[in-house]
Amino acid sequence: DAGVIQSPRHEVTEMGQEVTLRCKPISGHDYLFWYRQTMMRGLELLIYFNNNVPIDDSGMPEDRFSAKMPNASFSTLKIQPSEPRDSAVYFCASNYGTGELFFGEGSRLTVL
Amino acid sequence: AQKITQTQPGMFVQEKEAVTLDCTYDTSDPSYGLFWYKQPSSGEMIFLIYQGSYDQQNATEGRYSLNFQKARKSANLVISASQLGDSAMYFCAMREVTGFQKLVFGTGTRLLVSP
Repeated sequence: DAGVIQSPRHEVTEMGQEVTLRCKPISGHDYLFWYRQTMMRGLELLIYFNNNVPIDDSGMPEDRFSAKMPNASFSTLKIQPSEPRDSAVYFCASNYGTGELFFGEGSRLTVL
Repeated sequence: AQKITQTQPGMFVQEKEAVTLDCTYDTSDPSYGLFWYKQPSSGEMIFLIYQGSYDQQNATEGRYSLNFQKARKSANLVISASQLGDSAMYFCAMREVTGFQKLVFGTGTRLLVSP
């Protein structure tokens, strides 16, 4: 079975550019989570969805960040405009709401 | 206040020895779950083991076991017979019932296994 699929794996962009990260959860999972990992702050939950509806976006840093889940098999995390402090690894994860989270391989973002 | 505390930034162990990675947690929920994940240098997050707050027995998965002490609010990971491939970051995490399925992670412990 395919796991959580994220793209791109690596993104290097310049400050001010728009960045879009993509995620395909495991089929059948109805919860989807976006985490950010940095050395300074560790793993932070940004936002999560249940049945495509955002449930808690209290971890989204600011208005520059937005996330959507238009259907059960696709989610995006968008940063506009990007800043150097947004450089991090962004993980998408999914599950049935109980049990462990299944993580994607992450998207490493570097903003110059 | 930190929900999950991992006080050991780094640990060293020799191959074939056992090692304990500490994790304490803070919650007032009667129902919660505790998780351990491994993150090797390649970056992926690998689920290792789960302990529910009402589970009577300590969880075990192969060489991994969880030393769950509810009164002390600790959920230490024990790795027996360490292998070189165990060198990685290890994260403890908690899900609370009132947390609506959110998994909150600790800061992690870096384990190095030497030959």
